[in-house]
Amino acid sequence: GIQVEQSPPDLILQEGANSTLRCNFSDSVNNLQWFHQNPWGQLINLFYIPSGTKQNGRLSATTVATERYSLLYISSSQTTDSGVYFCAVGGGSEKLVFGKGTKLTVNP
Amino acid sequence: GAVVSQHPSWVICKSGTSVKIECRSLDFQATTMFWYRQFPKQSLMLMATSNEGSKATYEQGVEKDKFLINHASLTLSTLTVTSAHPEDSSFYICSARGIPGQAPYEQYFGPGTRLTVT
Repeated sequence: GIQVEQSPPDLILQEGANSTLRCNFSDSVNNLQWFHQNPWGQLINLFYIPSGTKQNGRLSATTVATERYSLLYISSSQTTDSGVYFCAVGGGSEKLVFGKGTKLTVNP
Repeated sequence: GAVVSQHPSWVICKSGTSVKIECRSLDFQATTMFWYRQFPKQSLMLMATSNEGSKATYEQGVEKDKFLINHASLTLSTLTVTSAHPEDSSFYICSARGIPGQAPYEQYFGPGTRLTVT
């Protein structure tokens, strides 16, 4: 099955800093989603991005499907951005395979 | 965006009893829903794929007789943990996506149910 690797596993930033999170996957995908899991466990959809580039406020994402990676950019980080960011991918089936996540801590 | 609800949000039960968790898509129809399990500080692991009107498809290593899944309508799937034991304590999360060819194309997740078995 598809393997998903996220890096870095942990990231500590000062408020206002920018960051890039990476997701590598081992096979062709027709679905790629980025999520933010808040402290209460809720997964919040950030991007549905099997290819191309999208932006939503301070967040943007790029997926280069031919090279099997996706990047999530967070600009001007805020303390409320803290939490775990997951990348999940799907191949030929509807199922999603999750990476292990990047734990982001933004300090004031 | 699409909204998925789960009930209850947390439950404590005694060893040997059964617990039912409901997952509902509130503003869209879903022929397929998914059930995940998450242990502390770990990622989400898919347990099963729930198909409306048919049997669920379980991932390898998941006991189908222990985790009963019913997908009775296009907006409701239930997970019943039967004869629960302390090792079943976990965070259970469901997700749903729209009917093939209809939005939403991506999966949306419920808020999760924290199960503690004493």
